[in-house]
Amino acid sequence: AQKVTQAQTEISVVEKEDVTLDCVYETRDTTYYLFWYKQPPSGELVFLIRRNSFDEQNEISGRYSWNFQKSTSSFNFTITASQVVDSAVYFCALKSNTGKLIFGQGTTLQVKP
Amino acid sequence: DAGVIQSPRHEVTEMGQEVTLRCKPISGHNSLFWYRQTMMRGLELLIYFNNNVPIDDSGMPEDRFSAKMPNASFSTLKIQPSEPRDSAVYFCASSRGQGEPYEQYFGPGTRLTVT
Repeated sequence: AQKVTQAQTEISVVEKEDVTLDCVYETRDTTYYLFWYKQPPSGELVFLIRRNSFDEQNEISGRYSWNFQKSTSSFNFTITASQVVDSAVYFCALKSNTGKLIFGQGTTLQVKP
Repeated sequence: DAGVIQSPRHEVTEMGQEVTLRCKPISGHNSLFWYRQTMMRGLELLIYFNNNVPIDDSGMPEDRFSAKMPNASFSTLKIQPSEPRDSAVYFCASSRGQGEPYEQYFGPGTRLTVT
């Protein structure tokens, strides 16, 4: 069975704090892909990053960074120096070769000024 | 470039009525996905198409739901008859491939309220 767990339901931080959103996944596939999406209060889902199972390099994009650890089946997302505009629901997702995207339940991040 | 287009953005209907949601995927994308988002169940995949052919409809809740993709640029999700428990945000998404690792791009969603 495939599953994505985002154990943190809600996180609240003060602006400029760093925050890490956890994602743990389960799959028996040897090839799979992991994604993060952002859903701001306006409601749309915005793609942030894709990572395949063969590439364990961490990635940094501006204030965002992702840590993929195959040994622990985790794909965590860190926002450095958070801003109010980062307030959103963040979803981690797993995609297998069948094409289906399995989403976690999401983590609601609130960044207070 | 235009993203995924969904219509209507909001729909309010009475129980028992037929509801049709529409989606235009990004040009050149050959996979299309319909999702439903509720507080209780989160984001659920209902059905997806590859090259206009339904690949997996195991997420469709029941026979009241049906989806079609008559061509590469248009898809519909129909609920007949609608029930209050169908109230949710319905998202359409498209991507360049099925098994490939291409990300899915989502439309703005249709917020459906069934009274």
